[in-house]
This record gives sequence, structure tokens and C-alpha cells, in this order.
Amino acid sequence: NAGVTQTPKFQVLKTGQSMTLQCAQDMNHEYMSWYRQDPGMGLRLIHYSVGAGITDQGEVPNGYNVSRSTTEDFPLRLLSAAPSQTSVYFCASSRGRGLYQETQYFGPGTRLLVL
Amino acid sequence: AQSVTQLDSHVSVSEGTPVLLRCNYSSSYSPSLFWYVQHPNKGLQLLLKYTSAATLVKGINGFEAEFKKSETSFHLTKPSAHMSDAAEYFCARTGANNLFFGTGTRLTVIP
Repeated sequence: NAGVTQTPKFQVLKTGQSMTLQCAQDMNHEYMSWYRQDPGMGLRLIHYSVGAGITDQGEVPNGYNVSRSTTEDFPLRLLSAAPSQTSVYFCASSRGRGLYQETQYFGPGTRLLVL
Repeated sequence: AQSVTQLDSHVSVSEGTPVLLRCNYSSSYSPSLFWYVQHPNKGLQLLLKYTSAATLVKGINGFEAEFKKSETSFHLTKPSAHMSDAAEYFCARTGANNLFFGTGTRLTVIP
């Protein structure tokens, strides 16, 4: 199993550009999520999905869109990039639809710089 | 209200000495609690988790954590630090549909 994979590893964008961060998992996990990691702030949840066709907002959803058309893939779209979106983005997945007692499996991250 | 508080942003220990990383949580119910480790330029990896089966939880690489409900704490310990333990450590608790993370503790191990 490859686990959770993310592409690209690093991206530079100009303000106003759009892009999609890719995330895929091959563990048949129901739950998938996107976090951003900023210095001194830990990880904050952007969006999550409890199964194909079901998505919901997390703590910091503004400026981001997601969709979940398959169990395996959970792309994150930046609609119009802003410097405040400079961050490291992590995708994670877990087996069940709820989080109680479930281990989250994290991807290696995408480092995004918005100029 | 802060759901997870990691009391130290940076801890420095000598190799071979004990490690203590502190975490306090707030919750109206008994949550699941986790410790994750992040090595430089890597994703997060689970160290251990508390799921109400036992208050003393053993994890990978010799780490342990003790759940103390009366103190709302879940501190991470290791008897003897190794150079490979140098990393950032995150405490987390479950919410309804997400994890709440602390702000992290960077562990430095001095040779």
C-alpha cells in the first residue's frame, strides 16, 4: 500500500492564481480531511469528508473548495490564491466515518508559497 | 476555548535523560486522545492513542502517556531520550468530526 499520497510536494503561486492539491489513499478509508499547518498554530482543519459524495467545512474553510467523487481521491482547490494561504497542507485519512479511537494516516504534505 | 494545550513550545534534553512533554485538554466528555510525531519535512505519524481501555498507554519507540481525568492531562514520557527522538510532537483530541491539535512541542536532544 502506498498509504496517503499528495502532489505536488512544493508549489509557488502568484496572488490570484488557482490550483488543485491532489490527495489519494489506497486503504479504502471512509474519512478524509485536509489540514493546514502554520508555525505556532498546530494543524487546523480546512475541509473533511466522511464518504464519497459527502463533504463538510472545518475550522478554516474560506478560500478552499473540495469534492469527493470517489473513495480514493479528495482534491483541495484554491480558488484565488492569497499570500495568507502560504502554508504546508496535509491530507489525512482514517478507516471509519467517525474519529473516535481512529488513527489518522497523514500524507507527506504540500508546501505552498503564494507571492 | 482552547481544546488542547501543549504547555511547552520547546523542550531540550540530553541524550539518555528522561523526556516529558505536557498536554492538557478540555472536553465535556471523555475524548480519544493522541500523540503524533513529525520529523522534519515529513507528515505526522501516530505515536500512541488513548481510547479508554487503559489509562497508561504504550506507544512506539518507547514512548508512554498517562491519561489523568482529574487533571485533564495526557503527558507524554520516555525514560531515555535518543537522538532520533528529535522532532515536533503534537497532542490531539477528537471532536465531533475532526481532530483538535495542540500547537506542538519541539524536542531537541543534545548529544
